[in-house]
Amino acid sequence: QKEVEQNSGPLSVPEGAIASLNCTYSDRGSQSFFWYRQYSGKSPELIMFIYSNGDKEDGRFTAQLNKASQYVSLLIRDSQPSDSATYLCAVNPMEYGNKLVFGAGTILRVKS
Amino acid sequence: EAGVTQFPSHSVIEKGQTVTLRCDPISGHDNLYWYRRVMGKEIKFLLHFVKESKQDESGMPNNRFLAERTGGTYSTLKVQPAELEDSGVYFCASSQDGAGGRTGELFFGEGSRLTVL
Repeated sequence: QKEVEQNSGPLSVPEGAIASLNCTYSDRGSQSFFWYRQYSGKSPELIMFIYSNGDKEDGRFTAQLNKASQYVSLLIRDSQPSDSATYLCAVNPMEYGNKLVFGAGTILRVKS
Repeated sequence: EAGVTQFPSHSVIEKGQTVTLRCDPISGHDNLYWYRRVMGKEIKFLLHFVKESKQDESGMPNNRFLAERTGGTYSTLKVQPAELEDSGVYFCASSQDGAGGRTGELFFGEGSRLTVL
């Protein structure tokens, strides 16, 4: 079993729709959770982080964490073609440091 | 402000040769990390420097890999001798210490793509 699992996609959504990206993790003691966006050939860019159960909203992005189910998700509202990228879920098993465990990423395609 | 820069962006070498990758972190970031993504796999942690000291090198695959960060500024990652399975994208990232004891946001470079033939 992989430590962090994501559906590789591609996930295709029409412009203006909600894109829902999901991630599960195996280490129940994991402390913090991150979503990175990566355009082809570019650096991973942090778009959301969440530490506590529940929802966290930032603009069009909402991260959701359920530690009991070991599940974290990212919702993108009003999806735009510029949101088309690979979305990487990353988990930090420790409270300090940035020794992140990454999923393989989900490719998102927003069709105009 | 300049981001994390890595050099070279792409290197093609033959099996058995040596390659040195360089990373310049964001100025003032004490924490520097190396990660690697091999084809079709996840990005995986290699090691972590705090200033010039190796804090955690548990992800280094074997002794053919040597990372240094002299003076606590830029870092190099040397692969000697390179093997076919070393091909992939090597990412460098840096961060400051964050508020409340947590580590700050991790900023990635664009990576150095290594191809070993």
